[in-house]
Amino acid sequence: GAVVSQHPSWVICKSGTSVKIECRSLDFQATTMFWYRQFPKQSLMLMATSNEGSKATYEQGVEKDKFLINHASLTLSTLTVTSAHPEDSSFYICSAPASVGYNEQFFGPGTRLTVL
Amino acid sequence: GEDVEQSLFLSVREGDSSVINCTYTDSSSTYLYWYKQEPGAGLQLLTYIFSNMDMKQDQRLTVLLNKKDKHLSLRIADTQTGDSAIYFCAESNTGTASKLTFGTGTRLQVTL
Repeated sequence: GAVVSQHPSWVICKSGTSVKIECRSLDFQATTMFWYRQFPKQSLMLMATSNEGSKATYEQGVEKDKFLINHASLTLSTLTVTSAHPEDSSFYICSAPASVGYNEQFFGPGTRLTVL
Repeated sequence: GEDVEQSLFLSVREGDSSVINCTYTDSSSTYLYWYKQEPGAGLQLLTYIFSNMDMKQDQRLTVLLNKKDKHLSLRIADTQTGDSAIYFCAESNTGTASKLTFGTGTRLQVTL
C-alpha cells in the first residue's frame, strides 16, 4: 500500500517555542491531508483538513493561528504548533487518502510532541 | 455531531475469538472501518465495510454491520498475542476523501 511518513517521530521542546511537523506522501499525490491529535489513552480527534494550494479547514475549537497548516505541494503538508505549551503535548498523526476510487486513508506513524 | 462509541477493554485467551463492538449515531455513514494501533505507532487499516453490506470476511477477520441498530462488530478468530493492540472503529459518510470520525478505541489484551 501507499506510504505516508512523518518527521520528526518525536520532539521535545521548551514552552513558548514553535515546532514544525512534516507529513509526506511518499509514492502518491495527495491534494488533501488530514491532521489528527491523540491524547494518551484517547481516540483520534480531527484537527484540520489540509488542502493543497488553498487554506486549511479547521474543526470547531481548533485555533488556526496556533496550529498553522501549509500544504505546499501534492506530497507535503506541514503542521506548525506555534508558541507551544505543555497542554499541546500530544501524539499528532496525519493521513492522506489514496487516489480516487480507493476506500482507504493512509496514516503516518505519528509525531509525539512533549512540551516542557 | 457524529458519535462513535466502543467498550474500553477486552481480554481474551490466545486461540479464542475476540469480538469488539462499536456503535455509531450518524445514519448517513457510508463507510465503516476498523483500524489497529500498536503502542506508539500510527494506524493500520484492517478492513472496511460499505453501509449496504451486512458482513465482510477477510481471513481471520469478520465484520458484521447492523445498520438498523447502527452497530458494527469485529470478530478476530484464533486470537494471537500479536493481536494485542488498540482497535478503533471509524466512520465516514463520503468515502476515502472525507474525514473520519473515530470511536473511543478498545484495548485488546491477549493472554496465554
